[in-house]
Amino acid sequence: DTEVTQTPKHLVMGMTNKKSLKCEQHMGHRAMYWYKQKAKKPPELMFVYSYEKLSINESVPSRFSPECPNSSLLNLHLHALQPEDSALYLCASSQVGHTKAAEAFFGQGTRLTVV
Amino acid sequence: GESVGLHLPTLSVQEGDNSIINCAYSNSASDYFIWYKQESGKGPQFIIDIRSNMDKRQGQRVTVLLNKTVKHLSLQIAATQPGDSAVYFCAVHTPYNNNDMRFGAGTRLTVKP
Repeated sequence: DTEVTQTPKHLVMGMTNKKSLKCEQHMGHRAMYWYKQKAKKPPELMFVYSYEKLSINESVPSRFSPECPNSSLLNLHLHALQPEDSALYLCASSQVGHTKAAEAFFGQGTRLTVV
Repeated sequence: GESVGLHLPTLSVQEGDNSIINCAYSNSASDYFIWYKQESGKGPQFIIDIRSNMDKRQGQRVTVLLNKTVKHLSLQIAATQPGDSAVYFCAVHTPYNNNDMRFGAGTRLTVKP
């Protein structure tokens, strides 16, 4: 199984809503990532979890709150978002360790629209 | 922080021709590089990778070249096909630095039949 599964595929939310994006992998990967991608732009790193601990937070606003409840799951909790937060949110996972093949596997993304 | 970029934002080739997509990076300590393909509406898909102890790696119809002296890598696609039309990103993955992985700007490849 080389899949990263993201749910939901599409999400429309109001600026006062609270919602969560979910990501799951069963490849035994111990690094998991959240990226934000705007149209015609590259994925922009938001958060990295290594061994279920937050290892990178790219100064993301606190209205985005990541959570890694176990080694297979990654959540992104959303609260009081702005219209400019509308984007494709991508989850990825990879092996950890300098000598291992560390290519990241990506989910299909959640297309988020904030209204 | 790491800066990863591409020389050309768009590339148009004829079917059957070879394609070359370029990428520059800024951190000479970077040691793992990956090329991804992203089709419309999908997540990035791994194509090929290379570590800094190599200067060339070949896959099926794809070759990645790494020039550490000038901090440049390229993706060569042989006999380009319409199905190769997509956006191609290079990424720098730094496993020893909290698994940091950053993407370049991307090149849109269009294959004309």
